[in-house]
Amino acid sequence: ILNVEQSPQSLHVQEGDSTNFTCSFPSSNFYALHWYRWETAKSPEALFVMTLNGDEKKKGRISATLNTKEGYSYLYIKGSQPEDSATYLCACFNSENTPLVFGKGTRLSVIA
Amino acid sequence: DVKVTQSSRYLVKRTGEKVFLECVQDMDHENMFWYRQDPGLGLRLIYFSYDVKMKEKGDIPEGYSVSREKKERFSLILESASTNQTSMYLCASRAITDTQYFGPGTRLTVL
Repeated sequence: ILNVEQSPQSLHVQEGDSTNFTCSFPSSNFYALHWYRWETAKSPEALFVMTLNGDEKKKGRISATLNTKEGYSYLYIKGSQPEDSATYLCACFNSENTPLVFGKGTRLSVIA
Repeated sequence: DVKVTQSSRYLVKRTGEKVFLECVQDMDHENMFWYRQDPGLGLRLIYFSYDVKMKEKGDIPEGYSVSREKKERFSLILESASTNQTSMYLCASRAITDTQYFGPGTRLTVL
């Protein structure tokens, strides 16, 4: 059974701080990892799809790395802003015909 | 833009009623999913479908059924609604290995 774990569960940072959080998954039978951003009262929005060991992706101030050999991905936010406040979800699947398995998310609050 | 729409944003039903939640996607995606989201429990998969007329149970299928008669439409059915099915329901679709797109969600309250 694929188990995806995220840490920390929640995080409070000051505006302007940089932050990062972790997604851990079994390194065997890895196929792809997705990161989503979920704001309150909205639906989850895709940030990154990552498949290759060593992948690094960037979107504005947000970036992510992937290590499939050791089974983790980091999401980084540089210079956090209040609008970054959201829950960040990580999800994996281990073959193309299986559903994504989601972690429980990291809830980020950025205080102005 | 990919669009996933759900028939209702808010729904209030009584215990024992049959409830239909509809989901439509406009990107010809093969895969469609129904999740429920409850505080502290994250997203839990109820059912999914990889093709028309095909369905697979997810992690919490009890009390639910689904229907996929057309590729773009995936319906979640609560045969006899119960109060423990009060939740936020999210539909999603994706091409086989690509980004998954979510609908806006239906907040269902069962009285």
